[in-house]
Order: sequence, then structure tokens, then C-alpha cells
Amino acid sequence: NAGVTQTPKFQVLKTGQSMTLQCAQDMNHNSMYWYRQDPGMGLRLIYYSASEGTTDKGEVPNGYNVSRLNKREFSLRLESAAPSQTSVYFCASSDRTYYEQYFGPGTRLTVT
Amino acid sequence: QKEVEQNSGPLSVPEGAIASLNCTYSDRGSQSFFWYRQYSGKSPELIMSIYSNGDKEDGRFTAQLNKASQYVSLLIRDSQPSDSATYLCAADTGGFKTIFGAGTRLFVKA
Repeated sequence: NAGVTQTPKFQVLKTGQSMTLQCAQDMNHNSMYWYRQDPGMGLRLIYYSASEGTTDKGEVPNGYNVSRLNKREFSLRLESAAPSQTSVYFCASSDRTYYEQYFGPGTRLTVT
Repeated sequence: QKEVEQNSGPLSVPEGAIASLNCTYSDRGSQSFFWYRQYSGKSPELIMSIYSNGDKEDGRFTAQLNKASQYVSLLIRDSQPSDSATYLCAADTGGFKTIFGAGTRLFVKA
């Protein structure tokens, strides 16, 4: 039981490049989330998926898109990376009823 | 703007002491509250959830909730150096959204 997995662990992009962050969970959770964490600002929700087939914007969605590929997988895409998107990105999942979230190991992204 | 506020710390306690971490939240409609522990360079790890007023104990950890005061706390008894981490308080806002505080850094001195 791997829990929540994320790839890649580290990534360096140049301004304007695109990339997709991958996330998968094996806990049969309905809900999945993407957060970014910046120093002093805590975790901020980018997008979430309450259930397979649905996605909704969170607090900071600009510059990002998501895809809920199936119940297990939820990807985050940066179409044209900007230095302001330098951050640590966490994927999480939860059983819908209790909202207790379980986090993946994170992706450390630097945009130069 | 719905918020969860925490003292950023660092909170420094000697080994064996009780560490008390506090959090306030702004949304009176919040029903679910969570404490996460995050070691440096690692992801947040859920340690406690609390849904009703009062205390909830789990080993050395006790979560306390007072909805009238919009206040949540976490007590860590017999603090160990391995408890040194950042502790994130979180509250749900309904609709699957959770607001996280910026965290309190705890340092347990051996």
C-alpha cells in the first residue's frame, strides 16, 4: 500500500516551458487535491476533485489545469511556467466523508 | 476571507515537557478540524482530527476544540526531540475545501 505517490520529485523549468505533475493514490479515496506550499504562506489549494469526473478551482488556480484521469490519478499541468510558480507542490487524497487528507511526498519545482 | 491563524513560533520546550500549540479559525460554519505534523523537507502527516467540542486523546497527543471561541489546540505530553517539526492546523470550509494555517514551528530541546 503505497498511499499517495507523486512524480517527479524535483524539476527545473525555464520560463515558458510546460510540464505535468502526476499523482496517484491506492486508498480508493474519492477526493483528490493539489496544493502549493510557499515559505510563510502555508498550503494553498490550487484545484480539487471531489469525485471521479469532477474538478473545481481552489484558492490559486491561475496558470494551472488539472485532469482527473480516473479514480486513482489526478494530474496538474503548467502550460507556460512562470518564476512565480516556483514552489513545492503536494497532492493529497481523502475519503469524502471525513475530509482527513493524506499527502504525497511532494514535487519541488523551480522555474528560472 | 476564511482564515486559520497560528503563531509561527518557534515554540521551544525542554524534553519531557508539555508543548501547547494553538489555532483560531474565522469560519463559524467549520465542522472538522485537523492537526498535521510536517518535518523539514517532508510532506504533512495527519496526526489528529476533531469534530466535537471538548478533548480528544491519542497517545501523547490531545486535541481540544472550543467552537464558541473558534479555538483549536494541540497538547503534546512528554515532548521528545523527534516531535520537533512544524505543526499545521486546518479547518474545513464545507464543500471539500480545507483551509490550512501557516504552521507553528516546535523545537524540543534534549
